[in-house]
Amino acid sequence: KAGVTQTPRYLIKTRGQQVTLSCSPISGHRSVSWYQQTPGQGLQFLFEYFSETQRNKGNFPGRFSGRQFSNSRSEMNVSTLELGDSALYLCASSPRVGDGASEQYFGPGTRLTVT
Amino acid sequence: GQQVMQIPQYQHVQEGEDFTTYCNSSTTLSNIQWYKQRPGGHPVFLIQLVKSGEVKKQKRLTFQFGEAKKNSSLHITATQTTDVGTYFCAGPPYSGNTGKLIFGQGTTLQVKP
Repeated sequence: KAGVTQTPRYLIKTRGQQVTLSCSPISGHRSVSWYQQTPGQGLQFLFEYFSETQRNKGNFPGRFSGRQFSNSRSEMNVSTLELGDSALYLCASSPRVGDGASEQYFGPGTRLTVT
Repeated sequence: GQQVMQIPQYQHVQEGEDFTTYCNSSTTLSNIQWYKQRPGGHPVFLIQLVKSGEVKKQKRLTFQFGEAKKNSSLHITATQTTDVGTYFCAGPPYSGNTGKLIFGQGTTLQVKP
């Protein structure tokens, strides 16, 4: 099976702009989660989607949003970008519903740089 | 909120030496997962432990889950240069109703050949 794919892989944006990142999960996986990884804060959970519904949300401002489509593909959007949003954004898919007992398969990530 | 802490943050070893990283949660975990991230790569799932006191082995890697389900460890015997990377532990809140994982800060392992 193909792994989790994310596009784009690299992105440079200016403060105040918005950005949309895309994730295609492993075929058959219906749960998709997003994480932000920075050197200072490590891996932090953003949100989780299952069957087009947001099941969980991390402690991020409302500028961070996401959605999931009927084919399980997911997008996340960050509006009004700030310098501190520069990070590696990782998407992970899971074969089971989010009961926490399911391993996460991560994609290669999107490296976002905000200038 | 729930916190997951790992020690040490960094570890340099000579090839062939053993390595251990420890993970402690501020709350009881329903399960603990371990991931490895190579430099420039993404986290890759290694294993999941569910039962209190559980021990699992993968070749040279030994994973333990504490009796109280609040701590865990990963031990690598006779490290190799291929073991280089950052090892993360992660667990969900014990409420068990979430796919959200709380990750430790990771232990970065360097192996000198």
